[in-house]
Amino acid sequence: EADIYQTPRYLVIGTGKKITLECSQTMGHDKMYWYQQDPGMELHLIHYSYGVNSTEKGDLSSESTVSRIRTEHFPLTLESARPSHTSQYLCASSEYGGKNSPLHFGNGTRLTVT
Amino acid sequence: DQQVKQNSPSLSVQEGRISILNCDYTNSMFDYFLWYKKYPAEGPTFLISISSIKDKNEDGRFTVFLNKSAKHLSLHIVPSQPGDSAVYFCAASRNSNSGYALNFGKGTSLLVTP
Repeated sequence: EADIYQTPRYLVIGTGKKITLECSQTMGHDKMYWYQQDPGMELHLIHYSYGVNSTEKGDLSSESTVSRIRTEHFPLTLESARPSHTSQYLCASSEYGGKNSPLHFGNGTRLTVT
Repeated sequence: DQQVKQNSPSLSVQEGRISILNCDYTNSMFDYFLWYKKYPAEGPTFLISISSIKDKNEDGRFTVFLNKSAKHLSLHIVPSQPGDSAVYFCAASRNSNSGYALNFGKGTSLLVTP
């Protein structure tokens, strides 16, 4: 039973469109993350947040932006989608930011930009 | 450059036998290691972890071994069950600007046959 929810699960959209991928968690976690994964490849951290009004870019450069206005909500936005943005986007949260706090992942959004 | 490597993209094991999944890392600053399990169309779920101060951690059928000198860890599943069929991601963490950022491997797809 998922405590972290991502919508939509699948999205096919044309080039140039603005999209927002939704992520919500009900666990009250302060730490939230966005990872990007291409098929057969490793997960790459693209954004993270340690609390409300706190957002940082991750290790992998991304043209997407994020916001954290509420603890439970961490949406990711692409202002103008391109085929290179085609990927799976995974949202995660953790209770603490330390190493003993495993990440809880959502089921992901698979984005295809045509 | 990839700092966490899972060199076997896939592994097939008979039910009841041992599954051994391997992982190598290059960054000596990693001090915590995790395994995640991922079913198709779902997000990764945390399976087991080990701190760099230990060389073994066991949880039921799952045991993780760490060889720091070789920068190698392995996940043993005994006995393997068909429900264990999934993609297994090795991850390593170190303290960084993004907290304990996780570096993931590309995953090993395990198939347990009846």
